[in-house]
Amino acid sequence: SAVISQKPSRDICQRGTSLTIQCQVDSQVTMMFWYRQQPGQSLTLIATANQGSEATYESGFVIDKFPISRPNLTFSTLTVSNMSPEDSSIYLCSGTPGTGELFFGEGSRLTVL
Amino acid sequence: SQQGEEDPQALSIQEGENATMNCSYKTSINNLQWYRQNSGRGLVHLILIRSNEREKHSGRLRVTLDTSKKSSSLLITASRAADTASYFCATDAGGFQKLVFGTGTRLLVSP
Repeated sequence: SAVISQKPSRDICQRGTSLTIQCQVDSQVTMMFWYRQQPGQSLTLIATANQGSEATYESGFVIDKFPISRPNLTFSTLTVSNMSPEDSSIYLCSGTPGTGELFFGEGSRLTVL
Repeated sequence: SQQGEEDPQALSIQEGENATMNCSYKTSINNLQWYRQNSGRGLVHLILIRSNEREKHSGRLRVTLDTSKKSSSLLITASRAADTASYFCATDAGGFQKLVFGTGTRLLVSP
C-alpha cells in the first residue's frame, strides 16, 4: 500500500492569504486526487492532479482558487488562494495505484480567521 | 454531490456488540468501498466489493452489496473501543478511479 505524506498537518491562516499544501507519495501511483472535507461533512472531490499538465477540476472548483501542480508521479501541491473563513476545512491528498482503492494522507486542517 | 446516503448518521454501542451501517447509492457502479476515518484524520481503506459480488469478509468486517436495491451494508462484529471512528462508503460513480463518498456514519464504541 502507498504511504502518503502531507504537510502542513494544520495551519491557522488570515483572510486573504494563500497556503500551499504538499503531498508526497512513497511509491508510484497512477492517479492523485485532492478532496475537501468541511467541518462535520463528507469528502468532496476538488480535482484530479495530472502529471505534467493542468489538473481536472470538479464542478464548483476552479483553478484560480485551487491551483494544483503535479510535476512528477509522486508529488503534488494544492494551493488555497485568497482564503476566506468558508475555506476552513480539512484538505486531503489521495492516490491510487490503479487497483481501485484510494490511499489518503493524514489531511491538512486549515482554519481561516 | 453525495452519491451515497448512510444510515444511521450516528451509532453508539457497547464493546462486544455488533455494529451495522447501511449505504444507499443512486447510479450504477463497478465497485463500492468502505473507509474509516479516525477523528478528522486521513481515511483508511477497509474493503472493496465489486458489483458482481454479493458478500465479502475481512477479519471482523462483513460487507454485503445488493445492486438491485443499490445498497450496501458494513457489519463490524465483536466491536472494540478502537473501532470508534466515522465510516464512509464510496462508489466509483464519479468516473474511472474517482470516488464519490457517502455522508458517513459516526460510530462510538464504549468500553
